[in-house]
Amino acid sequence: AQKVTQAQTEISVVEKEDVTLDCVYETRDTTYYLFWYKQPPSGELVFLIRRNSFDEQNEISGRYSWNFQKSTSSFNFTITASQVVDSAVYFCALSEASTGGFKTIFGAGTRLFVKA
Amino acid sequence: DAGITQSPRHKVTETGTPVTLRCHQTENHRYMYWYRQDPGHGLRLIHYSYGVKDTDKGEVSDGYSVSRSKTEDFLLTLESATSSQTSVYFCAIGRDGQNQPQHFGDGTRLSIL
Repeated sequence: AQKVTQAQTEISVVEKEDVTLDCVYETRDTTYYLFWYKQPPSGELVFLIRRNSFDEQNEISGRYSWNFQKSTSSFNFTITASQVVDSAVYFCALSEASTGGFKTIFGAGTRLFVKA
Repeated sequence: DAGITQSPRHKVTETGTPVTLRCHQTENHRYMYWYRQDPGHGLRLIHYSYGVKDTDKGEVSDGYSVSRSKTEDFLLTLESATSSQTSVYFCAIGRDGQNQPQHFGDGTRLSIL
């Protein structure tokens, strides 16, 4: 069965600190897709990144970077030089090819507080 | 922003009453989803649709039904609302393809007293 674990419920950092949000997943599929979404205090959900199981290249987008490691079933998200605007709840999600990609499973989320 | 509109945005109702939430999209996407968001649970899939009149259950479908008579509209119905269904409900849409991300509406906050 598929499962996503975000063990960090809340993280609090001071502006300009680097912070890593952990995501560990479980799946029996060899083809699957991983996602990160952001939910700022205003409540909307914003897509950040997707990765498929065949692409283990790390990705960097500005201050954001993602580390995908199949060996540890992890897809961690790092924010470099955090800013107050990064304060949000971040969700990691997984969908499996065997379910047609329909049944996306979300982790419980990590609430990030960035203090000025 | 993806053209997704949820209505109503807020609703307070009483236990035992029927409730219908509407999701309307202007993107012509094939896939539509209903989730509920509760503290400590993230988002959980209630039902999804992969075409007009084609729907299936998600992980928390008990007590909910859906209908999709047009590509652009996906309705979620609580036949007889219970207090355990108090939650924030999100609609999402997705393009064809398994690796496509979902785009979400702004959510409906539903309180059942």
